[in-house]
Amino acid sequence: GDSVTQMEGPVTLSEEAFLTINCTYTATGYPSLFWYVQYPGEGLQLLLKATKADDKGSNKGFEATYRKETTSFHLEKGSVQVSDSAVYFCALSASGGNKLTFGTGTQLKVEL
Amino acid sequence: GAGVSQSPSNKVTEKGKDVELRCDPISGHTALYWYRQSLGQGLEFLIYFQGNSAPDKSGLPSDRFSAERTGGSVSTLTIQRTQQEDSAVYLCASSLARLRVSSYNEQFFGPGTRLTVL
Repeated sequence: GDSVTQMEGPVTLSEEAFLTINCTYTATGYPSLFWYVQYPGEGLQLLLKATKADDKGSNKGFEATYRKETTSFHLEKGSVQVSDSAVYFCALSASGGNKLTFGTGTQLKVEL
Repeated sequence: GAGVSQSPSNKVTEKGKDVELRCDPISGHTALYWYRQSLGQGLEFLIYFQGNSAPDKSGLPSDRFSAERTGGSVSTLTIQRTQQEDSAVYLCASSLARLRVSSYNEQFFGPGTRLTVL
């Protein structure tokens, strides 16, 4: 079945550091790929998405590129802020499907 | 506008009791989803509704779990004879209906119900 694997956390960075959170997936067909974020005490929010190969999703300085050849969707940000501290989930929706399949989540902590 | 709401926000129950969790989706969203977030299993899909029918129940972990949706709006997730392994945060999400198979409509999540089974 479909699955998502993302790097385990927690990840601790200093403010203005470069962030990469790795995500790879297994799915048949052409899934849509997502990054969701869960800030402390808040619900899950969609951060960015990409619906076909080579698409780049971007939002709030975060980017991820849909790489079909490597089945990856790594999340990157050039300069993190303390306010980016949250749990980040990589997810996919199978082609023609409805449900989301999530990775286990990566906790990011950004310190001054 | 109002987002997805869930009630109660916290529920503590004793092993063996039944519980009902409620979800109010965003008005006009015909698709509704239940997920479970637990320490051991991460975020798991439970069930999907389109209108009042549930074409995908594949994530329900046992026959103790059931869900219904009435009037194409409110949904209730019921867990009978709760067990300690049912302790988790239960998340509800809603979205617009897809216009075509290849499209995707963003799922908007509620704040969740934290269930603790003693």
